[in-house]
Amino acid sequence: QKEVEQNSGPLSVPEGAIASLNCTYSDRGSQSFFWYRQYSGKSPELIMFIYSNGDKEDGRFTAQLNKASQYVSLLIRDSQPSDSATYLCAASSGTYKYIFGTGTRLKVLA
Amino acid sequence: DVKVTQSSRYLVKRTGEKVFLECVQDMDHENMFWYRQDPGLGLRLIYFSYDVKMKEKGDIPEGYSVSREKKERFSLILESASTNQTSMYLCASSRGLILSEQFFGPGTRLTVL
Repeated sequence: QKEVEQNSGPLSVPEGAIASLNCTYSDRGSQSFFWYRQYSGKSPELIMFIYSNGDKEDGRFTAQLNKASQYVSLLIRDSQPSDSATYLCAASSGTYKYIFGTGTRLKVLA
Repeated sequence: DVKVTQSSRYLVKRTGEKVFLECVQDMDHENMFWYRQDPGLGLRLIYFSYDVKMKEKGDIPEGYSVSREKKERFSLILESASTNQTSMYLCASSRGLILSEQFFGPGTRLTVL
């Protein structure tokens, strides 16, 4: 069964630190990868997507993809208490099927 | 501004009732999805539609049906609600399939008593 795995956390980091969120996937046919942020009681919202090996930066967020290792990560620099949320990793093989991980809960401590 | 709306934020129904959850998107997206989200289980796909009147089963279609009569509207139907269908239901839409993000609605928290 195709899976996306994430550590459920919580991952606690102090304000201003770098938060590192990791995700592994089992389907080698996966082509694109998405990071969503979900606040408690709210729906997921897209932070970033990545489809090429390497790093992709957007403001305080950097997504990293290593297809050989089947590994995706999200770095959040200068973490703020408002970044406290659950982060969902998703993989798509180019069909309608998006495989979501169960999410990592991040707590940024003020 | 892209928008996916769902008919209700909270819904309480009784076992055996027929339940309709509606989703509308204003982005002219081809694809629409219904997920349920439960603690520890993540997002699970119930049904997917890639065009008007077209639908495909997801991972957990049992006990559910869907309808897509217009491009912008995708309905999820619980034929006879059961307590194990108590969950958060999320609708999403996307333009294409490859490299295409999904936009989510606000969700409907359904409780079946």
